[in-house]
Amino acid sequence: GIQVEQSPPDLILQEGANSTLRCNFSDSVNNLQWFHQNPWGQLINLFYIPSGTKQNGRLSATTVATERYSLLYISSSQTTDSGVYFCAGITGTASKLTFGTGTRLQVTL
Amino acid sequence: NAGVTQTPKFQVLKTGQSMTLQCAQDMNHEYMSWYRQDPGMGLRLIHYSVGAGITDQGEVPNGYNVSRSTTEDFPLRLLSAAPSQTSVYFCASTIGGAGGTDTQYFGPGTRLTVL
Repeated sequence: GIQVEQSPPDLILQEGANSTLRCNFSDSVNNLQWFHQNPWGQLINLFYIPSGTKQNGRLSATTVATERYSLLYISSSQTTDSGVYFCAGITGTASKLTFGTGTRLQVTL
Repeated sequence: NAGVTQTPKFQVLKTGQSMTLQCAQDMNHEYMSWYRQDPGMGLRLIHYSVGAGITDQGEVPNGYNVSRSTTEDFPLRLLSAAPSQTSVYFCASTIGGAGGTDTQYFGPGTRLTVL
């Protein structure tokens, strides 16, 4: 199966700062998603982004499929952005989503 | 809509006991899946189903059974619990399959401890 690497593993920001999270895939993916797991454990889908750029409020994501990576940008971070951010992808036709190990983000006042 | 629901929220088992984790969704989604999440790791796929009557193995299927008799329900069975199965279990669903463009909805999780 594919390998999914995320960096950095941990990140501490002051409120208002910007950040970039990265996701690298070992193989081409035809489905790439970003998720946020809040401190209470709930997983929320942020983006479906197999290629190109999408924006949703203070969050945006860019995937360069030919180079097998994706970036998640968080601007003007808030304490509610804290949690773990996961990327996940699928290769081929199998309906198997493979997750990275996540980036743990802590936003402080 | 209640979305994806899971029961129980917490469970403690002794080694060798069996139990079933329940998962239900009321969004008429065809695709459902089970993941486990261990400390410091991402989610790993256990089993998935692309529709009623159809199931398949994921990355870590050993020790778990599933069935899909209805579109709404996708229970996960532990036949003989082992300490290595201590984890947080998540159920997820989406309309057309994990490979589609549809949002994956996750349940709140079940925290299982096997002594």
